[in-house]
Order: sequence, then structure tokens, then C-alpha cells
Amino acid sequence: SQQGEEDPQALSIQEGENATMNCSYKTSINNLQWYRQNSGRGLVHLILIRSNEREKHSGRLRVTLDTSKKSSSLLITASRAADTASYFCATDGSGGYNKLIFGAGTRLAVHP
Amino acid sequence: GAVVSQHPSWVICKSGTSVKIECRSLDFQATTMFWYRQFPKQSLMLMATSNEGSKATYEQGVEKDKFLINHASLTLSTLTVTSAHPEDSSFYICSAQPTTDTQYFGPGTRLTVL
Repeated sequence: SQQGEEDPQALSIQEGENATMNCSYKTSINNLQWYRQNSGRGLVHLILIRSNEREKHSGRLRVTLDTSKKSSSLLITASRAADTASYFCATDGSGGYNKLIFGAGTRLAVHP
Repeated sequence: GAVVSQHPSWVICKSGTSVKIECRSLDFQATTMFWYRQFPKQSLMLMATSNEGSKATYEQGVEKDKFLINHASLTLSTLTVTSAHPEDSSFYICSAQPTTDTQYFGPGTRLTVL
């Protein structure tokens, strides 16, 4: 079963605007990761944030993690048309193999 | 670095036949590989965890006799969909994990069963 929910399910913005996607999860985690998927393609790893971290940056990406609320957000600043994709958060499950449980995803459309 | 390939990228088969999908880590060794299934406009659902040299661990609800997984080496895992039916049509994605926390995903294989 899926670990969490993401909102919004779909987001449509203009180039240059910021895009914020949220992810909630249900159980304790070691880390949370964000992935990007272009239509019909594989996943690209964007960023990993550990449970003892609150914020992390990578280029135009900013990820926050609030373990008390079991939620995370992904902010893409100064969006570009090439950012159009689906974005998924994934949390590690229990056990020793780092199983990833994916959220439902947010479909982002950036219009030129 | 950290490239994972899948073959084939797409396959169309007749109902009742078996299909094998390969997942390879090209530039690193992966003790653990994972197989996911994704329906259109939905998220990835973990099917099984594959460990080199041992039996795969299947998620609840996934038929192990239907989806045969073999992790023959540290760079290759295969998923065989046996006696495929139209409801098995889906996008199958593998991932490989080196010693770090990050999983690296293959480009996926689209299976269509007629």
C-alpha cells in the first residue's frame, strides 16, 4: 500500500513562477526522497533528506521536512518548461533493504 | 555514473505467453534490486525486492509464481511475467541500489498483452 499522499495532484503554472508540491506520510522514516518522472520514462533522483534534517537545497530545488507533521515539501523556483513532469516523494519502509514507498505524485505542467 | 538499463523498452505479446525483462546496473554493483509496477497516471507500486544469490521477497498481493525474479549477478536481475494476460499490461520499472541510500531507476519497460 502507498505510504502517503501528495498534493496537489496536478499543478499548472507559467514559466518563471515557483512550484510547490507537498507530501505526507504515515509512519516513521529514516529518509525521504524526491523523484522526477517524465511521461513514460524512468525516475530521476532529485534529492534525499534525512529524518534529522529540516531543509535541503539543490540548485533550484528546496526540500523541507517536518517529521512532527510527517510531511515534506518540494519547491522548484523560477520554473522552466523543461520542469514539466510528474514528481514523487518516496519514504523508506521498514526492514533492511531500504524499500521505497511512493506517494501518489504531482503532475506539474509549466507553460512557456 | 549510476546508470541502470532495462531491456526491452517495450514489448507486445499474446495472452498466455511469457515475457522476460532484464535490468542491468551498468557502472556499479547492486546487491539489491527492486521491481516496481506503474499503471497510467498512477504511482509506482513495489512488487518485489531482489537480492543477488537469494530468493526475491515479494510484496503482499504479488504472485511469486506469476512474476518470477532472478538476480543472477551483482549487475543483472530479470523479471519474467509468466502466462501473461491483458491485466498484466503495465509499465515495469526496476531500480538498483549500491551501498548508498539512493536507488537508481531504469527507464522502464512497457508491456502490452493482447
